[in-house]
Amino acid sequence: EAQVTQNPRYLITVTGKKLTVTCSQNMNHEYMSWYRQDPGLGLRQIYYSMNVEVTDKGDVPEGYKVSRKEKRNFPLILESPSPNQTSLYFCASSLWRGEKLFFGSGTQLSVL
Amino acid sequence: QKEVEQDPGPLSVPEGAIVSLNCTYSNSAFQYFMWYRQYSRKGPELLMYTYSSGNKEDGRFTAQVDKSSKYISLFIRDSQPSDSATYLCATAGNMLTFGGGTRLMVKP
Repeated sequence: EAQVTQNPRYLITVTGKKLTVTCSQNMNHEYMSWYRQDPGLGLRQIYYSMNVEVTDKGDVPEGYKVSRKEKRNFPLILESPSPNQTSLYFCASSLWRGEKLFFGSGTQLSVL
Repeated sequence: QKEVEQDPGPLSVPEGAIVSLNCTYSNSAFQYFMWYRQYSRKGPELLMYTYSSGNKEDGRFTAQVDKSSKYISLFIRDSQPSDSATYLCATAGNMLTFGGGTRLMVKP
């Protein structure tokens, strides 16, 4: 089944404790992206990747890191999480930028 | 001004009603138009995809694009309680731009 898989589904952590949210797609998509979704603010893009080893900032990249060492994986790293990063996070992929996006099920992150 | 504007709702309708959801966009370079449906705390799922002005129908759903007015619509016929969700419009040029979403509630 074609899908975008992200883990974990729920995560509660404390300020400053490094964490990684994993994302994997099995559709051989070139383009992958991370979004956060907050009430009243909609979907905001954090980072995206056009291809392996190519990443770029989205609208809200501060406090986040990504890497794209393999085509299928695009982890999101929070080196020192803060409470304002409490949000619902989505990984997404598409054949290329601007094409139909396929989303993962989401990761609800709470930073205390 | 946001590039894609969408009334946040909520929009509440009785079961069986015809629903009209709308978006306006500002960038005439946008070429592709999509509607996503998002259930609470789930990932958005692609509902409709179109790249031209006019109508595209899929079952109870019709997507309409008017490029001259920069206006896109999603119509849902015979709405069902299972249609209750947030609907996001998206436009694409060289990247996808999302509207803020409209929350729809269909009451039995």
